[in-house]
Amino acid sequence: NAGVTQTPKFRILKIGQSMTLQCTQDMNHNYMYWYRQDPGMGLKLIYYSVGAGITDKGEVPNGYNVSRSTTEDFPLRLELAAPSQTSVYFCASSPVGQKSNQPQHFGDGTRLSIL
Amino acid sequence: AQTVTQSQPEMSVQEAETVTLSCTYDTSENNYYLFWYKQPPSRQMILVIRQEAYKQQNATENRFSVNFQKAAKSFSLKISDSQLGDTAMYFCAFISPANDMRFGAGTRLTVKP
Repeated sequence: NAGVTQTPKFRILKIGQSMTLQCTQDMNHNYMYWYRQDPGMGLKLIYYSVGAGITDKGEVPNGYNVSRSTTEDFPLRLELAAPSQTSVYFCASSPVGQKSNQPQHFGDGTRLSIL
Repeated sequence: AQTVTQSQPEMSVQEAETVTLSCTYDTSENNYYLFWYKQPPSRQMILVIRQEAYKQQNATENRFSVNFQKAAKSFSLKISDSQLGDTAMYFCAFISPANDMRFGAGTRLTVKP
């Protein structure tokens, strides 16, 4: 029962570097989400996807890109890392939209520091 | 834009007692959904309870219940018979029909033995 798997769990980047946060789920969920959680704050939605080939911006998309080529995978790309992107990133999935009675399944998070 | 406010950054309760966490929100929407999520030190986000705005009856899940006041835009969480395992951050969240989901800043709850 893998659920939602995020890699890596920790990463330190230098300013201007790029990287991809990986997220994969094995529950055949249509909906997938990327959130960031800054210290002492709630989650903020970066991007979401309602199915393969479809992505939409959330509340804080600037500085990020996503793709959804398969149902299972939803990678998050940082092209030019900035200190403001230091955060914990959560990937989540759900079988239908967030308004349903089906809860989102969250990964364990990726702690990213930009120095 | 929708906003969610949790005015209690930290709370504590004795084991077996009852505690209420507050949440208010601001929206012009009529149909929306509200959630309470629990985040233990493991950082996993766990859905505690969910409420549809069109339902007047307050949602209940075992020891967890809500007091939903639509006119006042209030959505508080009551935890009865608190257990040590309830120690966690609790986040109130709102989602609009357009899938715009917003979280509050959270309340850190400590259950004391």
